[in-house]
Amino acid sequence: DAKTTQPPSMDCAEGRAANLPCNHSTISGNEYVYWYRQIHSQGPQYIIHGLKNNETNEMASLIITEDRKSSTLILPHATLRDTAVYYCIVGGGADGLTFGKGTHLIIQP
Amino acid sequence: ETGVTQSPTHLIKTRGQQVTLRCSSQSGHNTVSWYQQALGQGPQFIFQYYREEENGRGNFPPRFSGLQFPNYSSELNVNALELDDSALYLCASSFRQVWNEQFFGPGTRLTVL
Repeated sequence: DAKTTQPPSMDCAEGRAANLPCNHSTISGNEYVYWYRQIHSQGPQYIIHGLKNNETNEMASLIITEDRKSSTLILPHATLRDTAVYYCIVGGGADGLTFGKGTHLIIQP
Repeated sequence: ETGVTQSPTHLIKTRGQQVTLRCSSQSGHNTVSWYQQALGQGPQFIFQYYREEENGRGNFPPRFSGLQFPNYSSELNVNALELDDSALYLCASSFRQVWNEQFFGPGTRLTVL
């Protein structure tokens, strides 16, 4: 599976959009980009995934660059409950999800 | 719809002992994966089960083994426990067709003394 690079931590004001970047320059053509988050003391939670096109669901939007070497997860109106570690994962095979250290997003009141 | 459940929530064992952790999949899910999460790290993939057979495995020794039952529930067994096995063990279930959209349980916190 391709490796990903994320900033270790980010702050965002409550009510603003949180934009979490992820670099995955070695991604291969059939690998999807997945985002999960883990709120303290809970199991990870699936957020969204995409291959080439931008995706949106009730939780977030995923913007993937045209060359697919990076992506951005957007939480449009961050709340305090969005404080969590966010993991960007690239994969497509049957070898499980490869979690890195993720980005610790802190929503400030 | 019932989510993924795991038991026990906490467990303390001593080095050399054996442990069994249990997981009930979300209703309708036929694939289960197990992960180990050390403090301050992301979860690490142990293995995945589909149709009661191991379908993929991470970089874990054979003393980590598992079972999946006909009702899709699962067990993780760890033999000859080592101090470094202290971690949060997470179970995740999914549909085979979209196995990367995994639903995680709350985990079992294992402490090895």
